[in-house]
Amino acid sequence: QSVLTQPPSASGTPGQRVTFSCSGSSSNIGSNFVNWYQQLPGTAPKVLIYTTDQRPSGVPDRFSGSKSGTSASLAISGLQSEDEADYYCAAWDDSLNGVVFGGGTRLTVL
Amino acid sequence: QITLRESGPTLVKPAQTLTLTCTFSGFSLTTRGVGVGWIRQPPGKALEWLALIYWDDDKRYSPFLNNRLTITKDTSKNQVILTMTNIDPMDTATYYCAQRRGAGRFDPWGQGTLVTVSS
Repeated sequence: QSVLTQPPSASGTPGQRVTFSCSGSSSNIGSNFVNWYQQLPGTAPKVLIYTTDQRPSGVPDRFSGSKSGTSASLAISGLQSEDEADYYCAAWDDSLNGVVFGGGTRLTVL
Repeated sequence: QITLRESGPTLVKPAQTLTLTCTFSGFSLTTRGVGVGWIRQPPGKALEWLALIYWDDDKRYSPFLNNRLTITKDTSKNQVILTMTNIDPMDTATYYCAQRRGAGRFDPWGQGTLVTVSS
């Protein structure tokens, strides 16, 4: 069972906006940055959002991140078929003195 | 260009010790602020962080692995080694190494290596 809680699945149609939630606690999301990773089928994860709301170069601005209290969110606007992937949130946990991941959300583009 | 590559056995027997090597290029583990981490993913399951080592030899371990992990670095070879003792079939997973960068993100990741634990 993961320390950060994510819904196991989400879906949307092309062009739609979808959001993913990531719920934690005061020792992780509540006091540290959140990073989001995208894992396309059969590939290694890659960072999608870092420092809660920053995009690495090459990541389209359709992807955005935010945080409020002990929860974080990832939003994808203008959904595309190539966005079909697993999405993981992660953060440092001050109590565990380590990195914690969410259980991941599998996005299906209908 | 930064690259990382994991290597190690593909099949390990229960109770044995697993040793994995991460060989990287494009950065140095002597540079202030730089780290390398290990993350694993059992088949069809979520990512799980295992261990971290930083440029100053600061080491962090997952508290959920019951002191089974040891992480070391060989800066002359640009390698980070992860050792896991008392291997169990539940340790079957793809093991990834990744650079630990500013704000704590893992970027980039290696391609991963699948380790199967079976007698």
